[in-house]
Amino acid sequence: RKEVEQDPGPFNVPEGATVAFNCTYSNSASQSFFWYRQDCRKEPKLLMSVYSSGNEDGRFTAQLNRASQYISLLIRDSKLSDSATYLCVVNIRYKLSFGAGTTVTVRA
Amino acid sequence: NAGVTQTPKFQVLKTGQSMTLQCAQDMNHEYMSWYRQDPGMGLRLIHYSVGAGITDQGEVPNGYNVSRSTTEDFPLRLLSAAPSQTSVYFCASSSYAGVGRDTQYFGPGTRLTVL
Repeated sequence: RKEVEQDPGPFNVPEGATVAFNCTYSNSASQSFFWYRQDCRKEPKLLMSVYSSGNEDGRFTAQLNRASQYISLLIRDSKLSDSATYLCVVNIRYKLSFGAGTTVTVRA
Repeated sequence: NAGVTQTPKFQVLKTGQSMTLQCAQDMNHEYMSWYRQDPGMGLRLIHYSVGAGITDQGEVPNGYNVSRSTTEDFPLRLLSAAPSQTSVYFCASSSYAGVGRDTQYFGPGTRLTVL
């Protein structure tokens, strides 16, 4: 079983829409959680960390459910520039495990 | 401040050849790591280092060697290239205190093809 699993999508949404997707992780000892963004096979870049209480960064909201071992990302008021692959990342003892990514395409 | 640099950007090897992928960072980060990314799969950790002189294996270390003689550099060596090592390789770094809590900075990647 993979450490981190994501729905690959693609999620194809119009501008202004809200899109949400989850990832699940298998190791209950996971210590910290992140969403990274990757454009067209370029290097991943940190989008946001995910905290236990949930957190927002502008139009992006991340939630963590430790009991069910899943993490979610919600994007409000989608922009064309949000089109990317979103990687769910989990840290266990200084080793990061990456999901395969969820592809989001925002259309005009 | 260049961040994390990787060379070369592209490389084609024949089966059995060896080569070294270079990675350097100028942020004085203790933690450095190498990942490979294959279609449909997440980045997989090959090797990592928590400081000069200290390295450890990740998820997929077979066929790769690393060393960390300085804080800045973390080269990845392919001992005898195989077609299964065709992939995109990313190097990353972060402050040791921030590992798992802070930003991992990635290099631009090396696209390797083994024929």
